[in-house]
Amino acid sequence: GNSVTQMEGPVTLSEEAFLTINCTYTATGYPSLFWYVQYPGEGLQLLLKATKADDKGSNKGFEATYRKETTSFHLEKGSVQVSDSAVYFCALIANAGGTSYGKLTFGQGTILTVHP
Amino acid sequence: KAGVTQTPRYLIKTRGQQVTLSCSPISGHRSVSWYQQTPGQGLQFLFEYFSETQRNKGNFPGRFSGRQFSNSRSEMNVSTLELGDSALYLCASSLAGMPGEQYFGPGTRLTVT
Repeated sequence: GNSVTQMEGPVTLSEEAFLTINCTYTATGYPSLFWYVQYPGEGLQLLLKATKADDKGSNKGFEATYRKETTSFHLEKGSVQVSDSAVYFCALIANAGGTSYGKLTFGQGTILTVHP
Repeated sequence: KAGVTQTPRYLIKTRGQQVTLSCSPISGHRSVSWYQQTPGQGLQFLFEYFSETQRNKGNFPGRFSGRQFSNSRSEMNVSTLELGDSALYLCASSLAGMPGEQYFGPGTRLTVT
């Protein structure tokens, strides 16, 4: 079956530091890949997406590139802010119809804490 | 445009009871997915409904069921509650043709005692 593996957390950084959160996946076919973010006390929000190999998703200074050869979708940000403190989830959805309908498969989440 | 709403936000039930959770999707969204979030298992897919039909189901026992109404609102039901059902239950809606771009509600926190 499909699966997503994220780097072990939590991650603690100082403001303006560089962020990388690793994500690798296992899936048949060509899934679409996503990063979702969960801020304290809020619901999950879509941060960025990529639907095919070599696509780069970007939003709010965050970027991730769909690497089919390494089955990875690592999240990066050049300079984090305190307001980026949240839980980040890597996810995929298969594009094969049928059993993929509406089913996002999530990684275990990475807690990011940014200190001033 | 109003977001996804879930009611109630918090619920405390006793083992053996049943519970019904409600979800109102974003206007125009016909797909509704449900997830269970726990510290140990993370986010796990329960089921997905589209135009009142369940199109997909995760690996949960038959005690977990759902339905969708003609206005796309959805409910999920858990019968014979167990302690292990304590979790945050999240509902998400999406547009047809964009299944991965899901908009999540704030969740219902269910505690089973």
